[in-house]
Amino acid sequence: QVQLQESGPGLVKPSETLSLTCTVSGGSISSYYWNWIRQSPGNGLEWIGYIYYTGSTDYNPSLKSRVTISVDTSKNQFSLKLSSVTAADTAAYYCAGQGVEMATLRYFDYWGQGALVTVSS
Amino acid sequence: DIVMTQSPDSLAVSLGERATINCKSSQSILYSSNSKQYLAWYQQRPGQPPRLLIYWASIRESGVPDRFSGSGSGTDFTLTISSLQAEDVAVYYCQQYYTTPWTFGQGTKVEIK
Repeated sequence: QVQLQESGPGLVKPSETLSLTCTVSGGSISSYYWNWIRQSPGNGLEWIGYIYYTGSTDYNPSLKSRVTISVDTSKNQFSLKLSSVTAADTAAYYCAGQGVEMATLRYFDYWGQGALVTVSS
Repeated sequence: DIVMTQSPDSLAVSLGERATINCKSSQSILYSSNSKQYLAWYQQRPGQPPRLLIYWASIRESGVPDRFSGSGSGTDFTLTISSLQAEDVAVYYCQQYYTTPWTFGQGTKVEIK
């Protein structure tokens, strides 16, 4: 059973860069596409982007100019960097694994527990 | 972007009664080459991450009670809880995985009446 665990600072200052890492256990990092999804307090779910173990990425156009997702296959980890943060980026950040079926990406099979990040000075 | 719109935003149902949640996509999420509806439903209990309930619009995930069912096609989908239990109190989200950016409905909060 694949398990995901987010880690990183819970407090980030405005204008700085938010950095989170997701560690994958119980499965191969090459078997899925790895996503970041966030949820603002009281709000719904927003997809940030994904990465494949090859380094191929896709980002939400609404955040693309500020997002970088990278992968470290040797550590079974992938990471999120979100630059120039503001209070609007305060949210729970989830990592999630997404499989491939019939040559297309499918639903989110696995979710981490989430990491709450607050943007405040 | 494909906009996913859920209705209602919240509903209160008596224990043992039926709960019905609707989800409408702004365009078809039917992939013609495989005839699959690229829609999933998730349950999110307070303080927990979302949990996959239904995929391909109607396939129940392993371990999900059979009181949960999904239906629909094209742009209109439904999640039904046939007999509401106390542990079903949660927010439910639909999500399309037809094309990026993947998008979610705004959520429907289910409570006990």
